[in-house]
Amino acid sequence: DIQMTQSPSTLSASVGDRVTITCRASQSIRSWLAWYQQRPGRAPKVLIYQASTLETGVPSRFSGSGSGTEFTLTISSLQPDDFATYYCQQYSSYWTFGQGTKVEI
Amino acid sequence: QEQLVESGGGVVQPGGSLRLSCAASGFTFSRYDMHWVRQAPGKGLEWVTFIRNDGGNKYYIDSVRGRFTISRDNSKSALYLQINSLRVDDTAVYYCAKWTGYPGGFDVWGQGTMVTVSS
Repeated sequence: DIQMTQSPSTLSASVGDRVTITCRASQSIRSWLAWYQQRPGRAPKVLIYQASTLETGVPSRFSGSGSGTEFTLTISSLQPDDFATYYCQQYSSYWTFGQGTKVEI
Repeated sequence: QEQLVESGGGVVQPGGSLRLSCAASGFTFSRYDMHWVRQAPGKGLEWVTFIRNDGGNKYYIDSVRGRFTISRDNSKSALYLQINSLRVDDTAVYYCAKWTGYPGGFDVWGQGTMVTVSS
């Protein structure tokens, strides 16, 4: 089974900050990685797929990079709506989510 | 617009059963692979099971294999999850999700249905 590890688990930031979240896979997943945002009490929403492709309608301040085993999600200028929990997900072999990164004020 | 609506959750005793449903609308359901994902209270997302668009291939996470059964009725645009031999650690919000297939992610999610296993 492929394990996904995110860091940090919690991130404290302010509006306007540049934020980076890291996701590591236990083995190579090539570029089969997606990022999701989940606000409290809401369903997840896909932000990025195939490691770096922005889902339609997602603001351009979100970007993803990486391949193989190491990936990053960057928010270039944090907005009030961005305070949420972010999950990476591999879909190279079945499907596995990371444990989540909570971005808080 | 594309929409998924889950139903069927509730409170059940350990060892009990439930059938979750997911009604799809706004897209051609039969063209897409579907998943169930769950989230225990205060915890992260956990992928549970997959079914191919034609109902052919099905995959399960180890902890539910043999107890959960995924199925679909493309004529009704409906996805199901039969959950048997429920355990306390199955307590979670259960989401159905549409997969666009490679290279995409899970692009449409339902609002979730809560399953509570408690004596």
